[in-house]
Order: sequence, then C-alpha cells, then structure tokens
Amino acid sequence: QSALTQPASVSGSPGQSLTISCTGTTSDIGGHNYVSWYQQHPGKGPQLLIYGVTYRPSGVSIRFSASKSGNTASLTISGLQAEDEADYYCSAHRGTTVLFGGGTRLTVL
Amino acid sequence: QAQLVESGGGVAQPGGSLRLSCEASGFTFTNYGVHWVRQAPGKGLEWVAVISDDGNYKFYADSVKGRFTISRDNSKKTLYLQMNSLRPEDTAVYFCAKGRSLFGVPWDSLDIWGQGTMVAVSS
Repeated sequence: QSALTQPASVSGSPGQSLTISCTGTTSDIGGHNYVSWYQQHPGKGPQLLIYGVTYRPSGVSIRFSASKSGNTASLTISGLQAEDEADYYCSAHRGTTVLFGGGTRLTVL
Repeated sequence: QAQLVESGGGVAQPGGSLRLSCEASGFTFTNYGVHWVRQAPGKGLEWVAVISDDGNYKFYADSVKGRFTISRDNSKKTLYLQMNSLRPEDTAVYFCAKGRSLFGVPWDSLDIWGQGTMVAVSS
C-alpha cells in the first residue's frame, strides 16, 4: 500500500477534462510544496509533468495543470487526447524519503 | 540532449549481488543529485535511493537500507547501485533519474529518466 493515495483508474472521452487526486498527510503533501506529477507510457521511463505543485517543465502541454489543497494534490488534464492514455504518478517527500502514489491508469474512451 | 542509460541488470539468486550502472550524457553530471527508482512487474514506482551532486549525502528507502549502496563517479559521469542480499521482492525494472535543480535538495523533482534495466531475483 502506497503512502500517497491515488485512484487506481480514471477514464474520459476525447476533449473532456478530468482530474486525478493524490492524498497524503501533513507530513508530506500538506507540509511543503515539493509535489510532482509524472506520466508513464507502457514500456517507457516516466516523464516529469509538474513540479513544485503547479509548475510545468518546458515542453509539457498547457493542457496539464495541477494544484494542492491541504493534504491533497490534484492533476487536471483538459482537452483529453488519445496520447494522454498512460499511467500517472504523484510524488512528494516525507523527511528524507521520496514517496510515490500507487499510480492512476488513464483510459481515453 | 540530456540522457541516462542504465546497465547491469540480469538474473540473480536470492542472497546474491548485482551492481547497476547509469551513464549520463548531455548535461553537467557533477551539478545534480541522482536517484534510483524501481518498478516491480505490473506495479507502481518505488523510490530506492538518492545521492547528492558531490556524493556527500545519501538516503535510502527502508526496504533497501543496509543492503543497497548508491555511489557515483563524477569523473566517469556514472551512477551506481550495489545491491547485496537480494530478495525476490527486489525483482523490478530499475530506473536512474536526475534531479531537476542545480545543486538541488534530495527530494527534488526528477526531470530526466533512463529507460531502465531489469533485475530478476529467483532461484
């Protein structure tokens, strides 16, 4: 069982928006702003989507946005596209340990 | 273009050892912390260890503490993971990943990932 809780799966139709949640505690997500999100396609290494809770690295689509409220971080994907079908992971640290969520499988219908 | 390439994976017996390597190119390796992250077959990501840019600090997941050792050779632009006392639950794809920020904190976001190397522990 992962220390950060994500829904196992979400789905949406092309063009729709959806949000993936990531719940932790005051010792991790709720205690600082080092929250990240990663996208992983099958057979590939993960790709950084979001860092510092809300910031997008250069080259990441503006369709990806993120926020945090209390102990829960959220990733929103707008204008869903077929290429968004992948696994998504949140991450935060607790002390000197880096935590990942269990991952959310996004299916584009 | 920044790139990380892992090698050294393979099959090991329980109680055995393996050493993984991760060669960096396209960025100034000495300026960034680097991590190992693993993924068991069909499972999610699990952080394993981090080493600072200068090698002065190292942190480990509880699941590998005392068995795995992370190290780096900045002259060779290479990260290592020495894995001893291997267990079946260590079976996974092992990724190396680079911290995003120059001389960043240990828990920095990971902006460059390798393609991974597979480790299988079985008798």
